Amino acid sequence: AQSVTQPDIHITVSEGASLELRCNYSYGATPYLFWYVQSPGQGLQLLLKYFSGDTLVQGIKGFEAEFKRSQSSFNLRKPSVHWSDAAEYFCAVGPQYNFNKFYFGSGTKLNVKP
Amino acid sequence: EPEVTQTPSHQVTQMGQEVILRCVPISNHLYFYWYRQILGQKVEFLVSFYNNEISEKSEIFDDQFSVERPDGSNFTLKIRSTKLEDSAMYFCASSGSRSTGELFFGEGSRLTVL
Repeated sequence: AQSVTQPDIHITVSEGASLELRCNYSYGATPYLFWYVQSPGQGLQLLLKYFSGDTLVQGIKGFEAEFKRSQSSFNLRKPSVHWSDAAEYFCAVGPQYNFNKFYFGSGTKLNVKP
Repeated sequence: EPEVTQTPSHQVTQMGQEVILRCVPISNHLYFYWYRQILGQKVEFLVSFYNNEISEKSEIFDDQFSVERPDGSNFTLKIRSTKLEDSAMYFCASSGSRSTGELFFGEGSRLTVL
C-alpha cells in the first residue's frame, strides 16, 4: 500500500542552524516526490519536486531534498534556517504521469528559536 | 501570481446540515481536487475532477459528498448531511496538467460540525 511517513511531528532548531526533515515512502511504482510547506493561515505551497535525474533537487527558499531509492527516502534539508521558515512541512508522493491522487505524510511542525 | 481561493475560511454548522465549500481554481487549469485534513492527521485525497466529471474518488467520498463546477470559474464541494467526523480543513487544488507535477492549493476551509 502507498504511504508516506514523516517520523518527526515537531522539530525545534535555532535560527542559523541546519535542518533536516525526514520522509520515507512506500510506493508500488516509481513515484514522483514532493515537499510542501504550510505557513499559518496559508495554503500548501510547493517547495520542490523530484521526477527523475539528479537525485539532489533544489527548491525555493534555499531548500533542497535528496532522493535515495535504496532507503525509500526523500529528506528535506536547509543549511541555515531563518525564523520565517517556521511552518508545517509535508512530504507527498504521487504516481508518475497521473496526479489524480497524492499521498501525504502527517507533517512536521518546525519551530525556530531566536 | 495566480492563486486558488477558497470560501469560507471557516464554517461552523450543526450536525445534519448541508454545507457547500467553494473554490475558485487558477483560471487556465483543467484538473481540480479536494483534499481534507482532520486535525492532527494526514492530508487525505477526496476527489479529482476533470472535464466536468469525477476522475477518481477515495473511499471517504461517499454519497454524502458531491462536487460540481457550476460555471466556468467555481468548483464546489457539497456535504449533504454533515457528521461530527466531517470536521476538518478542506483544501481545494488545481493543476494545469496531469504531468507537470504541481498542485496549487488554496488556503483551506475549516469546517467545524457541532
